[in-house]
Amino acid sequence: GESVGLHLPTLSVQEGDNSIINCAYSNSASDYFIWYKQESGKGPQFIIDIRSNMDKRQGQRVTVLLNKTVKHLSLQIAATQPGDSAVYFCAENMVGSWGKLQFGAGTQVVVTP
Amino acid sequence: GAVVSQHPSWVICKSGTSVKIECRSLDFQATTMFWYRQFPKQSLMLMATSNEGSKATYEQGVEKDKFLINHASLTLSTLTVTSAHPEDSSFYICSARGRGGKTEAFFGQGTRLTVV
Repeated sequence: GESVGLHLPTLSVQEGDNSIINCAYSNSASDYFIWYKQESGKGPQFIIDIRSNMDKRQGQRVTVLLNKTVKHLSLQIAATQPGDSAVYFCAENMVGSWGKLQFGAGTQVVVTP
Repeated sequence: GAVVSQHPSWVICKSGTSVKIECRSLDFQATTMFWYRQFPKQSLMLMATSNEGSKATYEQGVEKDKFLINHASLTLSTLTVTSAHPEDSSFYICSARGRGGKTEAFFGQGTRLTVV
């Protein structure tokens, strides 16, 4: 989910279930998107990326879906584990400057036993 | 992936003093480095883009005289927060990308700045 303000939306997931994290991006011209995981006090950690010429990409336990029509990204985590507890951000690469990223608001994922 | 290291990991300074944060690419040459700021429970906001050997480009609303960026070599960029105030307390994160048209940017571990 999206949030404007001083608190992150939280997704509470039971261990073993699948997680779906959503993100809306802003620029219809963006052609590269990345999902990051951030643990408390650490920098963002790359999870998976997707280019605009694709609508789905799979990694190990993760899948990213891209819907350019509505400017929407999602990250699916299969069989969520306690180690998946973190804040997840989507990011779009700003047009014309590779590596320059605009981050979404973020979603806190809490995995419960 | 490539390694980007920030130093220090955390720093506490007195109001009115300046603090320098280093961002190093350890195993590749970083032609471009990016500096982000992150307040608690919020997202990362891009502050500036620095290219080796040239002046940094600052995002709208970021004071270039307050946040001095130097990218004097292909492996090191520094961010100096001048005359720091408590409202500058934040988590500062750098990322670095190497040569080539479309190369991934790698993130440092971040620096927690607390101004008292």
